Amino acid sequence: QKEVEQNSGPLSVPEGAIASLNCTYSDRGSQSFFWYRQYSGKSPELIMSIYSNGDKEDGRFTAQLNKASQYVSLLIRDSQPSDSATYLCAVNSGAGSYQLTFGKGTKLSVIP
Amino acid sequence: DVKVTQSSRYLVKRTGEKVFLECVQDMDHENMFWYRQDPGLGLRLIYFSYDVKMKEKGDIPEGYSVSREKKERFSLILESASTNQTSMYLCASSLSAGGGKTQYFGPGTRLLVL
Repeated sequence: QKEVEQNSGPLSVPEGAIASLNCTYSDRGSQSFFWYRQYSGKSPELIMSIYSNGDKEDGRFTAQLNKASQYVSLLIRDSQPSDSATYLCAVNSGAGSYQLTFGKGTKLSVIP
Repeated sequence: DVKVTQSSRYLVKRTGEKVFLECVQDMDHENMFWYRQDPGLGLRLIYFSYDVKMKEKGDIPEGYSVSREKKERFSLILESASTNQTSMYLCASSLSAGGGKTQYFGPGTRLLVL
């Protein structure tokens, strides 16, 4: 059974701080990794994808991947109240699979 | 931009009714997915399709069926709705090659079965 684990939170950070969201996965052969943001009552929207070990930056967001430790994280710099949402980690195992395995999400609250 | 649309944002049905949820994508994606999302349980895959007229069961297919007659359209059918099928239903699509298997979601349908 492929698993993706996230701390459910809530994670509370003050406005302007760095929010750090973490995710671990069980399938060592996983090849593609995604972070989605989901506002309450809305559908998930893609924030970042990462495929190689290391960091990938996009504006205030940085995704970090460590395949040896089976660990992927998302850093949000200069957090804003509008970043308050649930963040879903998703993993594709590769090997011809089209499916994503989703974590249950971490709820982030940015306090003004 | 990828656009995935779903036929209804909110739906109220009676127990035993047959329910159709439709999803359309405009980016020529081969793969389409139906999920349901419930508090504390996360996203659970019901069915997916990797080509026209092809379908594969996901983790929770019981009580559901699907239809994919055209590439852009993927329908979820609740043959006889039950109260435990009250949920948020999300459709997604992705490419088979390239794109790293990124899935793009529709706005969701919140279904209430009374």
